[in-house]
Amino acid sequence: EMQLVESGGGSIQHGGSLRLSCVASGFNFDDYAMHWVRLAPGKGPEWVSHISWNSGSIAYADSVKGRFTTSRDNGKNSLFLQMNTLRAEDTAMYYCAKARELLDDAFDIWGQGTMVTVSS
Amino acid sequence: IQMTQSPSSLSASVGDRVTITCRASHGIFNYVAWYQQKPGKVPHLLIYAASALQSGVPPRFSGSGSGTDFTLTISSLQPDDVATYYCQNYISAPVTFGQGTRLQIK
Repeated sequence: EMQLVESGGGSIQHGGSLRLSCVASGFNFDDYAMHWVRLAPGKGPEWVSHISWNSGSIAYADSVKGRFTTSRDNGKNSLFLQMNTLRAEDTAMYYCAKARELLDDAFDIWGQGTMVTVSS
Repeated sequence: IQMTQSPSSLSASVGDRVTITCRASHGIFNYVAWYQQKPGKVPHLLIYAASALQSGVPPRFSGSGSGTDFTLTISSLQPDDVATYYCQNYISAPVTFGQGTRLQIK
């Protein structure tokens, strides 16, 4: 069974840092691009970042550019999101998601999410 | 690229045909997906490439459209379909989502 499991969320003060992790199982992790998506209460999903299978292409939403860094370790089937200078508006459930086939593709597998709460 | 989804909420009876629409601010060919998110659950892919049914999704779900206008249709609404539905544009980064349609049973 293909599965993604996130961890690393929590409550943090404004300006603080957190590192989220996502561990994949049940598929060849190093064959696929991966994404981070967040859902804030009462809002639609917001794409945060993507990383290609070989880390050759990494992109960010304007709202997190310069503060968040996405990386992956294919040897450990793991995806990471380093979040610095956190703001109240970063409060959301964060999901990692697998691209279906290509980098620019739908997301066919989602993790269960990890909650990030930023207090002022 | 902005995705404008409508309606924002919808109430229908079991067995009804339900349609949700999404309009892109620029042409995006068929780079559209639809997701279902049940309360307390993870988003679940229903449709990709505007009209391709994801494996395991019931055939009462279908998608159509290309360019700027896209539609998700449920041919015969079931109680299990109570959820929020989102469209997504994935032609290139930044990926964008619609604001969602909350579907309830009358």
